[in-house]
Amino acid sequence: AQTVTQSQPEMSVQEAETVTLSCTYDTSESDYYLFWYKQPPSRQMILVIRQEAYKQQNATENRFSVNFQKAAKSFSLKISDSQLGDAAMYFCAYRSPPGVKLIFGTGTLLAVQP
Amino acid sequence: SAVISQKPSRDICQRGTSLTIQCQVDSQVTMMFWYRQQPGQSLTLIATANQGSEATYESGFVIDKFPISRPNLTFSTLTVSNMSPEDSSIYLCSVRGGGSYEQYFGPGTRLTVT
Repeated sequence: AQTVTQSQPEMSVQEAETVTLSCTYDTSESDYYLFWYKQPPSRQMILVIRQEAYKQQNATENRFSVNFQKAAKSFSLKISDSQLGDAAMYFCAYRSPPGVKLIFGTGTLLAVQP
Repeated sequence: SAVISQKPSRDICQRGTSLTIQCQVDSQVTMMFWYRQQPGQSLTLIATANQGSEATYESGFVIDKFPISRPNLTFSTLTVSNMSPEDSSIYLCSVRGGGSYEQYFGPGTRLTVT
């Protein structure tokens, strides 16, 4: 069975600094998608970034980028120039097509210090 | 992306009663999902609801406890039946539509069972 592991329950970063959140996963599939979701205190889950396993290039969305290491089954999220609004719970998630089920990690609570 | 609303946003219920949660989407979507997020935990998929067919439940969740309706392509309900304190959680509706492989989440319903 596929699993997603986030080994950092909590992280803290200074405003304007860079932080990296870790995620590892276990799967025997070769085709899959990986996602990072953000859940602010208001609890509306927001998709931050996605990565297709067949793409070697790491996904980037503005200040958010990933380091996708397929062989190591690692999918870390880097947040550059951290802002106070980045404070949230971040979930790593996995999905293997044609399945529709998202498998979530346990989350990393990110605090941003002014 | 889809705009998703849920009602109620929160509720406090007595054990033994039932609560029906509504999920409304601003566009037609093929697949809707219901997730549970227990306090301080990650998200767990309860069931997948497609319009015109019975919901598909994940292991550990049964229709008698969590009946789901999907009368059309923009609306679904989840009922939490015969509640106990262990049902205290946030319940989130999620959708996936058309050619998009992304899932979008509603704001959630915070349920407390006393």
